[in-house]
Amino acid sequence: EAQVTQNPRYLITVTGKKLTVTCSQNMNHEYMSWYRQDPGLGLRQIYYSMNVEVTDKGDVPEGYKVSRKEKRNFPLILESPSPNQTSLYFCASSSRDPTDTQYFGPGTRLTVL
Amino acid sequence: DQQVKQNSPSLSVQEGRISILNCDYTNSMFDYFLWYKKYPAEGPTFLISISSIKDKNEDGRFTVFLNKSAKHLSLHIVPSQPGDSAVYFCAASARADNRKLIWGLGTSLAVNP
Repeated sequence: EAQVTQNPRYLITVTGKKLTVTCSQNMNHEYMSWYRQDPGLGLRQIYYSMNVEVTDKGDVPEGYKVSRKEKRNFPLILESPSPNQTSLYFCASSSRDPTDTQYFGPGTRLTVL
Repeated sequence: DQQVKQNSPSLSVQEGRISILNCDYTNSMFDYFLWYKKYPAEGPTFLISISSIKDKNEDGRFTVFLNKSAKHLSLHIVPSQPGDSAVYFCAASARADNRKLIWGLGTSLAVNP
């Protein structure tokens, strides 16, 4: 089954404790992206990757890191999480670029205390 | 400044009637537009798209209309069903820069039985 998986689905952590949210797709897609969704703010892009080893900042990259060492994986790293990073996070992938149909993961709800 | 605006945060419609969701954009370079639907606790899913060379695209109960001179597009759902209750996001891209997709803040549609 074609899908985008994210782990964990839910996470409660404390300020400053490094964490990684994994994202994996099995569709051989070149484009991958991370979004956060906050009430009243819609979907905001954090980082995206056009292909392996090619990553770029989205609209709200501060406090986040990503890497794209393999085509299928695009982990989101919070080196020192803060409460303002409490949010719902979505990973997405598409075949070439964001104008192709993006397939979204189920979301990761992160709470930083 | 928001380049893609969905001015109605919410909309309520009776089952069987037409739902019309609106989206305005400011960047005249945008030439490709997409609609995504999002249910609670799930990632967004692609619904329908339209290129600027067309003024209408239809897929079953869903039709998107594009008015380039007004920089306006609308999504029509006919007939509306309770299962259509979701948040609908409009997104736009300038294909000359296919790395970026600009999202609206979404409209929450409630279809009442």
